[in-house]
Amino acid sequence: EPEVTQTPSHQVTQMGQEVILRCVPISNHLYFYWYRQILGQKVEFLVSFYNNEISEKSEIFDDQFSVERPDGSNFTLKIRSTKLEDSAMYFCASSVQGAAGEQYFGPGTRLTVT
Amino acid sequence: EDKVVQSPLSLVVHEGDTVTLNCSYEVTNFRSLLWYKQEKKAPTFLFMLTSSGIEKKSGRLSSILDKKELFSILNITATQTGDSAIYLCAVGRYGQNFVFGPGTRLSVLP
Repeated sequence: EPEVTQTPSHQVTQMGQEVILRCVPISNHLYFYWYRQILGQKVEFLVSFYNNEISEKSEIFDDQFSVERPDGSNFTLKIRSTKLEDSAMYFCASSVQGAAGEQYFGPGTRLTVT
Repeated sequence: EDKVVQSPLSLVVHEGDTVTLNCSYEVTNFRSLLWYKQEKKAPTFLFMLTSSGIEKKSGRLSSILDKKELFSILNITATQTGDSAIYLCAVGRYGQNFVFGPGTRLSVLP
């Protein structure tokens, strides 16, 4: 069964460093998302991506964040200069039809900023 | 501001009990409502609901949507310890992303 994959599963970085989180969405899906979940808190939307451009982003997704689909399969989230408060689980998700379709999550990357 | 509310936030039951989890929403441009189960890591998709009154069923789990009263319920019958998880409700909006509720933490005791 197709699934969303994410790498790495856990990333530890120092404050101020850049990190890139990687995702491979399900192959026939057209809508891609990044969410984060701080430990014990709710899932928060970061950004959605469709047709090679950002379709929506939240207030959390400031200039420190960027997304890219560098080739036909990968979808990346870059945080340019990490802060302590960026420590969270980051989930990638994909969907065939956006809000009209089922959305599937990857296993997540736990980011720890020290 | 669009919001999704879930109740109860936490629930403890014994194996064999039946539980009903609630999700109510206030959103513009409603398109769909999704239920997820989150155990240790990623949310696992359970159901997507788009039409009122049509029950979706999978084994012991079932869900229904009421678009007039703006809520959905998720029922789990004959609960098992493996049902222990956080159950998330998310609402999709036309041309926009999904808004998630805070989740209901269900604990099923043996």
